[in-house]
Amino acid sequence: GEDVEQSLFLSVREGDSSVINCTYTDSSSTYLYWYKQEPGAGLQLLTYIFSNMDMKQDQRLTVLLNKKDKHLSLRIADTQTGDSAIYFCAETGGSQGNLIFGKGTKLSVKP
Amino acid sequence: EAGVVQSPRYKIIEKKQPVAFWCNPISGHNTLYWYLQNLGQGPELLIRYENEEAVDDSQLPKDRFSAERLKGVDSTLKIQPAELGDSAVYLCASSPHLGELFFGEGSRLTVL
Repeated sequence: GEDVEQSLFLSVREGDSSVINCTYTDSSSTYLYWYKQEPGAGLQLLTYIFSNMDMKQDQRLTVLLNKKDKHLSLRIADTQTGDSAIYFCAETGGSQGNLIFGKGTKLSVKP
Repeated sequence: EAGVVQSPRYKIIEKKQPVAFWCNPISGHNTLYWYLQNLGQGPELLIRYENEEAVDDSQLPKDRFSAERLKGVDSTLKIQPAELGDSAVYLCASSPHLGELFFGEGSRLTVL
């Protein structure tokens, strides 16, 4: 079945770049997504990429997609303490096209 | 624009008791989802509605869980009877189109 894998933790220093990685299984996914969850809150859509694209840049965020390896990454430039959160990768999987989420990567930003 | 509203935010009950969660989606969003999120995990879909029709309830444990979305707007999710393993956060989301989900803050259930 569909599965999305992410590393669980990432720690960086303020001002550095963060790179969060994700692998997925459903090669038919049309879009791939990154969501952010702050403590005690619901998930918030950060960005997404269409499956026929290799890269998408949106201000401090850069999404890279390697469709051959089914690998997705999210780069956050100039990481700030406000970026500390859990980041979820998601694919549109299955016959219904519902979102399948990974377990999330907890990003900790140290001052 | 108001976001997705869920209530209650927190609920503590004893096992075998019933519980209900309510969700008010963003106006105009025809698609509504209920997700379950266990600690340290990503959200897992319970049910998806298109207007008032449940189009995917394959992951909903129908022996104890039920959901409804009357008039295609608000939705309720009910658990009866609750078990210890049901302790989790129940997230509601609405969507104007596939993939772009707007989540509520969730309802945290603790079953004692």
